Amino acid sequence: GAVVSQHPSWVICKSGTSVKIECRSLDFQATTMFWYRQFPKQSLMLMATSNEGSKATYEQGVEKDKFLINHASLTLSTLTVTSAHPEDSSFYICSARDESGSDNEQFFGPGTRLTVL
Amino acid sequence: GEDVEQSLFLSVREGDSSVINCTYTDSSSTYLYWYKQEPGAGLQLLTYIFSNMDMKQDQRLTVLLNKKDKHLSLRIADTQTGDSAIYFCAESNNAGNMLTFGGGTRLMVKP
Repeated sequence: GAVVSQHPSWVICKSGTSVKIECRSLDFQATTMFWYRQFPKQSLMLMATSNEGSKATYEQGVEKDKFLINHASLTLSTLTVTSAHPEDSSFYICSARDESGSDNEQFFGPGTRLTVL
Repeated sequence: GEDVEQSLFLSVREGDSSVINCTYTDSSSTYLYWYKQEPGAGLQLLTYIFSNMDMKQDQRLTVLLNKKDKHLSLRIADTQTGDSAIYFCAESNNAGNMLTFGGGTRLMVKP
């Protein structure tokens, strides 16, 4: 299947700093990528839908100024957690939609674990 | 909004069958998925089923869908210790669209 990578896989930062997480589709183009957040022992919650060349669509309750999404190319979407605080510590997972196949399947990245001290 | 629910925990002995259940509320759900998440890792798609199907089998995995009751199950035959993980069901009203996930079922396989 198609491969989606995330970088970094693990990041620890101080409170108040900004952290950028990259999501790349390695062998296919993705006009649409999704960002999910997973708290410990909980399910994944959709944060936003990232659209190449246009603004992201955020889910209710997700602050767009706090979680900046940039989908500048067909293979890369970035999520920047601005002025991170300990409550932002979480596992962030992206997925990318492969529109070349008949199933329009989503492929998930391995996730990025963010710990804010 | 959409709601997907799963039981939290299942424990089985190695070699037994595991059945993980999921219920959903969105009647427009078209695609229903099962994902596996191992500790500290991302999601691995195990299988999916279209809403116009009632069963799908793929090697040790059997998915049953009762659309009337909005009930989905995943059966793992001959469960192995390597099957220990969290299993998420998810639904979407269109392939490639956003997914709504259940809370996950932690499967523990005892030797």
